[in-house]
Amino acid sequence: AQKVTQAQTEISVVEKEDVTLDCVYETRDTTYYLFWYKQPPSGELVFLIRRNSFDEQNEISGRYSWNFQKSTSSFNFTITASQVVDSAVYFCALSEYGSARQLTFGSGTQLTVLP
Amino acid sequence: EAQVTQNPRYLITVTGKKLTVTCSQNMNHEYMSWYRQDPGLGLRQIYYSMNVEVTDKGDVPEGYKVSRKEKRNFPLILESPSPNQTSLYFCASSSIFIQGSNTEAFFGQGTRLTVV
Repeated sequence: AQKVTQAQTEISVVEKEDVTLDCVYETRDTTYYLFWYKQPPSGELVFLIRRNSFDEQNEISGRYSWNFQKSTSSFNFTITASQVVDSAVYFCALSEYGSARQLTFGSGTQLTVLP
Repeated sequence: EAQVTQNPRYLITVTGKKLTVTCSQNMNHEYMSWYRQDPGLGLRQIYYSMNVEVTDKGDVPEGYKVSRKEKRNFPLILESPSPNQTSLYFCASSSIFIQGSNTEAFFGQGTRLTVV
C-alpha cells in the first residue's frame, strides 16, 4: 500500500527566510508520480508540480525548488526567500501507475510566513 | 477554461436529510473522484470512477454514494448525513492516459459541509 508522510505539521518562518517542507513516501511500484499542492486560506487546491519516478532531476521554478531522491524515498520542497503570500497548507501526494489514478495525500504542512 | 465545478461551495444541513453535491468537468476526462479533507488526515479518497457507469470505492466510502451517468458529471450523494461527515469535500478529474501532462489531477473549489 502506498503512503505519504509529512512529519512537519506546522512551520513558522520570518519573511525572506528559506524553508524546506519534507515529504517521505512508500510505494511498491517502480512507476509512480509525486505531486505538491498548495492550499491557501481560501481553500482551493493549487497544483505546483508533478514528478515521475524515472526523473530524479531537481526542479526549480522561481523561488520554488524540489529535491527528489529515490534512495531515501523523499520529495522535499524548498521555498527561497519566503513571502507572506506563501502562507498556506502544502500537501505532498503520490499516485501509483497501477492505482487507477488515485492520489494518496500526506497530512499536510501548515506554513506561516510572518512579516 | 479547463475546470472542475462543484456546487454548492458551502452547505449546512441537519442529520438525516439527504443531500447531493454536484461535480462537473469540461475536459472530457475519463477519471473522476471524490475526496474528503479532515484536519491532520490530509485528503482521503471516497469514491472514484474510471468512466461512465464504472464506479468503485476508495478508502472511506461508508455513508456515501456516487453515480456516473454522463462523462462530465460525478455527483456525491449522502443519503442520511451524520455529523461525522462534516468535512471539506473535493471533486477531482484527470485523464486515465499516463502521458505528458495528463497526469495532473484537476480539483474543484471544494465544498464545506456541516452536518448538525
